[in-house]
Amino acid sequence: KAGVTQTPRYLIKTRGQQVTLSCSPISGHRSVSWYQQTPGQGLQFLFEYFSETQRNKGNFPGRFSGRQFSNSRSEMNVSTLELGDSALYLCASSLAGGTIYEQFFGPGTRLTVL
Amino acid sequence: AQSVTQLGSHVSVSEGALVLLRCNYSSSVPPYLFWYVQYPNQGLQLLLKYTSAATLVKGINGFEAEFKKSETSFHLTKPSAHMSDAAEYFCAVSDLGGGSNYKLTFGKGTLLTVNP
Repeated sequence: KAGVTQTPRYLIKTRGQQVTLSCSPISGHRSVSWYQQTPGQGLQFLFEYFSETQRNKGNFPGRFSGRQFSNSRSEMNVSTLELGDSALYLCASSLAGGTIYEQFFGPGTRLTVL
Repeated sequence: AQSVTQLGSHVSVSEGALVLLRCNYSSSVPPYLFWYVQYPNQGLQLLLKYTSAATLVKGINGFEAEFKKSETSFHLTKPSAHMSDAAEYFCAVSDLGGGSNYKLTFGKGTLLTVNP
């Protein structure tokens, strides 16, 4: 069974640009969550989608947005990039809603903002 | 608001020695608790989870953790460290109710090094 895949794995952007990251969940999983990992702030929850609906959102500015498609694939978008957005962005999928279901993490997309 | 504190950002042990990684949580309701491991350039892998069943939870790779409500702790242990255990370990908490049921709140992580 294929795991969670994230594309691209590495990305370099400049301040002010926007970026779109993609996450393909494990087949059959309907919930996708996104996390930002930085050395200073650690792992922080961005948002969670289930059946194309955002059910929970973390404390991030509106520049961070996401969506989920009918095949459960998800994208997150960051507009007007800032240097502080440099991070590892992790996507996790689970069978259904609720953290009682194991969340399987992808390898992440490392975003560098210059 | 729920939070997780991992005591010690870096723990170093000798191969074969006991591994003890500490985690204390703060939650307004009985939580779910998790330990994840992250190897370099990889995502997170679930080691074990507590979901209000047995207080002693056994996970993969010989790790286990004990939920102690009175101490609000969920420390991770392994009797004998292997070189392959070198990685970063994260404790996480999730409340059971409401919208926060769908997110994990992580600790800052503990980097475990294993010396030969």
